[in-house]
Amino acid sequence: AQSVTQPDIHITVSEGASLELRCNYSYGATPYLFWYVQSPGQGLQLLLKYFSGDTLVQGIKGFEAEFKRSQSSFNLRKPSVHWSDAAEYFCAVVDYGGSQGNLIFGKGTKLSVKP
Amino acid sequence: DTGVSQDPRHKITKRGQNVTFRCDPISEHNRLYWYRQTLGQGPEFLTYFQNEAQLEKSRLLSDRFSAERPKGSFSTLEIQRTEQGDSAMYLCASSTLSEETQYFGPGTRLLVL
Repeated sequence: AQSVTQPDIHITVSEGASLELRCNYSYGATPYLFWYVQSPGQGLQLLLKYFSGDTLVQGIKGFEAEFKRSQSSFNLRKPSVHWSDAAEYFCAVVDYGGSQGNLIFGKGTKLSVKP
Repeated sequence: DTGVSQDPRHKITKRGQNVTFRCDPISEHNRLYWYRQTLGQGPEFLTYFQNEAQLEKSRLLSDRFSAERPKGSFSTLEIQRTEQGDSAMYLCASSTLSEETQYFGPGTRLLVL
């Protein structure tokens, strides 16, 4: 069965520092991958997605992610974190075991930003 | 395009009561999904509609849960005889038939006392 693993439950970085959030997936072929961000009590906002092509994808708010097939990873990065980036981040993959394109999510990584 | 909307945003109910949530997807989006998110977890798929047809239900969707999308536009999710374990955030998402990207609403947070 497909799965998504986000190894880090909670990460704290200083404002202005760089950020990398890890995501590993299990799927035999090329997956459709997403990163979403969720502020407390809110829904999920799409940051970026990967379907095919260039393995480095750019998203909103200065985020980028790199698809690495050899490592089954899709890590999210940002060169300089802002206090407003504090939120929970979810990696997701389209479930190809089902037929309707629902998403399988990781458990999320909570990001805290120190001033 | 106003995005996906959900109503209510918060609901507190007593165990055993019935509750109903509404989701209005982005107009022209044929696909509509319901997910449930419990504390400290990522969202989990509940059910899927393509237009008015409910095409898939997760095993998480017990027989106390029912969802409808009568005219292929808005959808409702009803929980009968609520239990404390139903306390969660209920998220709705929509997408087009030609694109895998799902756009999420703000969610309905349910607390069952």
